[in-house]
Amino acid sequence: GEDVEQSLFLSVREGDSSVINCTYTDSSSTYLYWYKQEPGAGLQLLTYIFSNMDMKQDQRLTVLLNKKDKHLSLRIADTQTGDSAIYFCAEKGTDSWGKFQFGAGTQVVVTP
Amino acid sequence: NAGVTQTPKFRVLKTGQSMTLLCAQDMNHEYMYWYRQDPGMGLRLIHYSVGEGTTAKGEVPDGYNVSRLKKQNFLLGLESAAPSQTSVYFCASIRDAPYGDTEAFFGQGTRLTVV
Repeated sequence: GEDVEQSLFLSVREGDSSVINCTYTDSSSTYLYWYKQEPGAGLQLLTYIFSNMDMKQDQRLTVLLNKKDKHLSLRIADTQTGDSAIYFCAEKGTDSWGKFQFGAGTQVVVTP
Repeated sequence: NAGVTQTPKFRVLKTGQSMTLLCAQDMNHEYMYWYRQDPGMGLRLIHYSVGEGTTAKGEVPDGYNVSRLKKQNFLLGLESAAPSQTSVYFCASIRDAPYGDTEAFFGQGTRLTVV
């Protein structure tokens, strides 16, 4: 079955770049997503990438996709304290009735 | 501009009690989902619905039932709560195009504790 894996924790200094990694197993994935969850809140879409793309940039966010290795990463440039949150990688296949397969989430802590 | 609203936000139940969680969306979305979030396990799909009057089982459906009598509402029921159902529950909805660049809109979550 499908499986999405992420590291559970990342500590980064304010102003540095953060890189969060994700691997997935479903080769039929069409879209891959990054969601952000702040404390006590629901998940909010940060960005997504279509499976035929290698890279997508959106302001401070850069998504890299290596489809051969089924590896997805999210880079946050100039990390701020407001970026402290849990980041979820998610994938959606072609026949999944809109169902998302989520990773366990990476807790990002930004230190001054 | 409510989006997806969940009620209640917090609840403590005794083992064996029943309750219903309500999810309401005002975006006219066809697809709605119930997830549970547990530490280190991410979000796991409980049940979902692809339209009014339809429901289907997700990854972890045991101990839960759902109903979608109205398009805007998706109810999650626990008939006899167990401590293993202590979790944070999230409802989500998407527009009626599951094969596109679909964004899922999430509610704020319901924190349920079963003692």
